[in-house]
Amino acid sequence: ETGVTQTPRHLVMGMTNKKSLKCEQHLGHNAMYWYKQSAKKPLELMFVYNFKEQTENNSVPSRFSPECPNSSHLFLHLHTLQPEDSALYLCASSQSPTVGGSETQYFGPGTRLLVL
Amino acid sequence: AQKITQTQPGMFVQEKEAVTLDCTYDTSDQSYGLFWYKQPSSGEMIFLIYQGSYDEQNATEGRYSLNFQKARKSANLVISASQLGDSAMYFCAMRDNYGQNFVFGPGTRLSVLP
Repeated sequence: ETGVTQTPRHLVMGMTNKKSLKCEQHLGHNAMYWYKQSAKKPLELMFVYNFKEQTENNSVPSRFSPECPNSSHLFLHLHTLQPEDSALYLCASSQSPTVGGSETQYFGPGTRLLVL
Repeated sequence: AQKITQTQPGMFVQEKEAVTLDCTYDTSDQSYGLFWYKQPSSGEMIFLIYQGSYDEQNATEGRYSLNFQKARKSANLVISASQLGDSAMYFCAMRDNYGQNFVFGPGTRLSVLP
């Protein structure tokens, strides 16, 4: 496989469930990102990992728990979610960001999450 | 704080015509990057074009070009010879000076008419 892949593509879960989203990149990048895209809202950056270290957490509720075991894999663990967490969750990767650099983020197809 | 504004929620263009999608940005950084992405109904964000704040030439990639006016803080996307497959959401984004934080605009939905 090439590029950035995400599984599952669709997920329906209850508020008491625990599930995980998986992202894998085959581009040799060292930085990975989770974004949330809700209807009628701009894309929101959730977490950033650079060389497996979390470098950004944009005030995301603790019911979202990221994990980055290596530079190619990124997980988002979900537990006790709320209906307003229903959204498209996008994973992206890039070369490690540098000051003033031109590193482009490449996105996966996303996971459409519905919380009932 | 950085901010991206896209004032056109929706645009229509006739097939084979050119279209300009507007993007203005606000930042106090001297060095930054500007990006355009396309998002078809399938959901995947597809990178189209990049412009660095110190680039003197406007970026071009095939049918896409970026009309960069630094003093006006605008980075409009021009699509020439529109095709039906160009129908999608288009997002303007900016990366901050430190490289990690991408800020996206609200997007413009482009519909290409046959």
